[in-house]
This record gives sequence, C-alpha cells and structure tokens, in this order.
Amino acid sequence: QKEVEQNSGPLSVPEGAIASLNCTYSDRGSQSFFWYRQYSGKSPELIMSIYSNGDKEDGRFTAQLNKASQYVSLLIRDSQPSDSATYLCAVKGSSNTGKLIFGQGTTLQVKP
Amino acid sequence: DTGVSQDPRHKITKRGQNVTFRCDPISEHNRLYWYRQTLGQGPEFLTYFQNEAQLEKSRLLSDRFSAERPKGSFSTLEIQRTEQGDSAMYLCASSFRGTEGEKLFFGSGTQLSVL
Repeated sequence: QKEVEQNSGPLSVPEGAIASLNCTYSDRGSQSFFWYRQYSGKSPELIMSIYSNGDKEDGRFTAQLNKASQYVSLLIRDSQPSDSATYLCAVKGSSNTGKLIFGQGTTLQVKP
Repeated sequence: DTGVSQDPRHKITKRGQNVTFRCDPISEHNRLYWYRQTLGQGPEFLTYFQNEAQLEKSRLLSDRFSAERPKGSFSTLEIQRTEQGDSAMYLCASSFRGTEGEKLFFGSGTQLSVL
C-alpha cells in the first residue's frame, strides 16, 4: 500500500464546474496535509494546507479533511482552464520528521 | 527574487560522470529538503536538513548520493557515477514553521539527463 494515494486521472470537467480531487493516506497519526498544484514543466506550488478535521476555504478552493477515514479532498469551484494542472496531495507523517510524502498527483483538465 | 533558487536548471551528462547541484533556500527558512521527481510521479523524498544538520535520509538513496549544507545556508547535492536511472527533476524546497505549522516552498528544479 502506498503511503499517499491519488487517482492519476485525468479528471476532465467543463469550465465553471466543480472539480473534486481525492487523496487517501496510510499513516493514521498524520497531522498535516497539503495540496500543491504543478503545471507541466514547473515545480509544485502550495495552494492549501489543512490540519484539523472539516473544511477550510480559500477563494475558489476548499480543502476537506476526515482523519477517521484517512481522507483528504480538494474542491475547486468555478473551474477555469487555467486550473488545468496536476494536483499533488502531500502528508506529513506522525513520526518526528519534517518530510512530506507526496501522492503521484491527479491531472485535471478544464475544458472551455 | 526571494524564492528558492536552484542551479543549474538543466544538466546533461554521460553515464559514469559526477554531477553537483546547488540550492539557495529562502533566507529565513531553517529547513531545506531535496526531492526527486520523474514523469508522472509525485516528488520522492531524498533528504532534509535543519540548519547544517542532515536529519533524515531516504533509505532508497544509494551511497552515490550525498548532500551537504555546510553553513546552514545553501546546499549541494552530488551524484557520483551517474546512471541512466538517475535522470529526473531534482527539486529543492525550504520551509519555515509558522502559526499554522510547517510549509514547504519549492525551487524551479534541476532537470538531469544521463546519456
């Protein structure tokens, strides 16, 4: 079992729709969760962090965390073609470490 | 520009040669990370430093890889006797611990091609 799992996609949504990206993790003691966006040929860019169960909203982005189910999601409202990218879920484990473990990423395509 | 800086952006080398990459973190960040990413995969952790101390190294990392951060500022990653399987994007990131916890910020990466 991978430590952080994402569906590689591609996930295709029409412009203006809600895109829903999902991630599961194996370390039940994980405390910190992040979503990064990566455009083709570029480096990952932090877009959301979440630390507590529930929802966290930032503009068109909402991160959702359910520690009991070991599940993190990212919702993108009013999707735009410029949102087309790979979205990486990253988790900081429970051990005394600073490292983030990344999923393989989900490719999102927003069609005009 | 106060972001994470990596040099070079691209490196092409022949199998068996040694290569060295440099990373300059954001100045107030005390942690520095190295990751490797291949096409279609997420970044894979290699090692990280807190100040000049190397706190963790991936068990997947062979002894051909070595990293240093001699004065707690910039870092270098050296790969000795490169192999074709070392071809990847090498990403450096730095972090700070804010009120909400620690957040990593990445540089633009060094794309290594081993021929």
